[in-house]
Amino acid sequence: GDSVTQMEGPVTLSEEAFLTINCTYTATGYPSLFWYVQYPGEGLQLLLKATKADDKGSNKGFEATYRKETTSFHLEKGSVQVSDSAVYFCALSPPRTAGNKLTFGGGTRVLVKP
Amino acid sequence: GAGVSQSPSNKVTEKGKDVELRCDPISGHTALYWYRQSLGQGLEFLIYFQGNSAPDKSGLPSDRFSAERTGGSVSTLTIQRTQQEDSAVYLCASSLANEYEQYFGPGTRLTVT
Repeated sequence: GDSVTQMEGPVTLSEEAFLTINCTYTATGYPSLFWYVQYPGEGLQLLLKATKADDKGSNKGFEATYRKETTSFHLEKGSVQVSDSAVYFCALSPPRTAGNKLTFGGGTRVLVKP
Repeated sequence: GAGVSQSPSNKVTEKGKDVELRCDPISGHTALYWYRQSLGQGLEFLIYFQGNSAPDKSGLPSDRFSAERTGGSVSTLTIQRTQQEDSAVYLCASSLANEYEQYFGPGTRLTVT
């Protein structure tokens, strides 16, 4: 079945550092890929998405590129802020005909220190 | 507008009791999902409703779990004869038909003692 693997945390960074969270997936066909974020005390929210190979999703300074050849969707941000401290989840959904149920990675906790 | 709401926010129950968890999706969203977030299993899909179609129950972990969606809106997840391993945060999400973004509720934290 489908699966998502992402780097384990916690990841501790200083403000303005570069952040990368690795994510790889196993799926049949061409899934859609997502990064969700869970800020402390808040619910899950969509951060960015990419629905086909070579698409780049971006939001709030974060970027991730859908790499079919390496089955990866790594999340990057060039200069993190304390407010980026959160748990980040990589996820996929199957091709359109199968509905949009999400398969999540294990989550990566990021802590940004001032 | 109002987001996805869930009730109760916290539920403590004794092993063997039945519980009902409620989800109110965003008005107009035809798709509704239940997920479970637990320490041991991470975030896992449970069940998916889309309009009047038969629900996708492929993620339900056992026959103690069931869910219904009345009138295409509110959904109730029922867990019968709860076990300690059912302790988790149960998340509900909704979306427009054929839209990628799912909007999540705050979750119900279930503790089985």
